[in-house]
Amino acid sequence: GQNIDQPTEMTATEGAIVQINCTYQTSGFNGLFWYQQHAGEAPTFLSYNVLDGLEEKGRFSSFLSRSKGYSYLLLKELQMKDSASYLCAVRDGDYKLSFGAGTTVTVRA
Amino acid sequence: IAGITQAPTSQILAAGRRMTLRCTQDMRHNAMYWYRQDLGLGLRLIHYSNTAGTTGKGEVPDGYSVSRANTDDFPLTLASAVPSQTSVYFCASSEEGGGTDTQYFGPGTRLTVL
Repeated sequence: GQNIDQPTEMTATEGAIVQINCTYQTSGFNGLFWYQQHAGEAPTFLSYNVLDGLEEKGRFSSFLSRSKGYSYLLLKELQMKDSASYLCAVRDGDYKLSFGAGTTVTVRA
Repeated sequence: IAGITQAPTSQILAAGRRMTLRCTQDMRHNAMYWYRQDLGLGLRLIHYSNTAGTTGKGEVPDGYSVSRANTDDFPLTLASAVPSQTSVYFCASSEEGGGTDTQYFGPGTRLTVL
């Protein structure tokens, strides 16, 4: 089966930076996704990495190292609305998505 | 444009009853998926369909069945519900099912089996 690990919870202050790490071991690799999920809502797409390196999209950036089986999501200039769960998902060799359990980020004033 | 809709929003069901969760998308996506989300376990794939007329099993298919008669609809049926099927169910769709495909999720159905 697939193994995707990410921290359960993180807390940070408004305006700060938080880095959410994700490590994975999967059968094949066809890309890594990050989703944001607010409580009681559907996951929404944030970013996609398939090559090594950093992808920047406004306040959010995502990094991938395929050789290390490692990714991180960087949230800058944190706002209260960023309080949510962040899901790391890996597309395996069969093009199926496997999800980590999610990291709940709490932003405090 | 609605995207993906799911019905019902929530449901309480007696064990042993049959239940169909509905999912409809208006994006003309070829691929559709059903996931369940349980606390501490993340999203797990139940069944998927890469195109109308075809379906496949995901990670946790037992106790569930699906059909894909057309592009837009992908219902999930619990033939005889059990309490372990209490969960939040999300339907998702994507253009093709591979490549750089991004999956887009519906609002979910919260199901409680007593």
